[in-house]
Amino acid sequence: ETGVTQSPTHLIKTRGQQVTLRCSSQSGHNTVSWYQQALGQGPQFIFQYYREEENGRGNFPPRFSGLQFPNYSSELNVNALELDDSALYLCASSLETSGRSEQYFGPGTRLTVT
Amino acid sequence: GQNIDQPTEMTATEGAIVQINCTYQTSGFNGLFWYQQHAGEAPTFLSYNVLDGLEEKGRFSSFLSRSKGYSYLLLKELQMKDSASYLCAVRNSGYSTLTFGKGTMLLVSP
Repeated sequence: ETGVTQSPTHLIKTRGQQVTLRCSSQSGHNTVSWYQQALGQGPQFIFQYYREEENGRGNFPPRFSGLQFPNYSSELNVNALELDDSALYLCASSLETSGRSEQYFGPGTRLTVT
Repeated sequence: GQNIDQPTEMTATEGAIVQINCTYQTSGFNGLFWYQQHAGEAPTFLSYNVLDGLEEKGRFSSFLSRSKGYSYLLLKELQMKDSASYLCAVRNSGYSTLTFGKGTMLLVSP
């Protein structure tokens, strides 16, 4: 158990719909990173939030957006869902210092787009 | 950009030793991580290397050569529960995001 929680566990949506996924970071952590993991692939970095600001973004279109709240929890929003968005969405929390900043992953949200 | 290569699958026998290799090409480097991921679960942290050499942690060891862009994860005294995907990930310089390889599926048989 990493102390990182995500909701919901599973979700089924239709193409074109919008979805919001939630993540609560481990106590004391100030940074949340979101990853998309397609079946049989490694996680791909979507974006990172540090102290409520976006702190880096991977190669994902603008319909992927996020928020981080003052308590460091975070949301991932995806608009205009496409079939290829079906994946496991992972959030990872960390405490950003000048050190190793190990990331702790939540259990993930399995999104299926039909 | 980053490119990370690791074998797709490996098989080994219970009690044996297995080495999972990872090679990377990066424009920036600030450490290499190994994670274990069981099917349908989140990745769990195994090891971290930022300097050249071997880091040992119980049955697991990880090695890094920055000049060669090479790392390996060594698993000793394999157990059935070690059957999982093993992910090599490089941390970019600048901020702490991780670029992952596709993972190596390890199957441990009796």
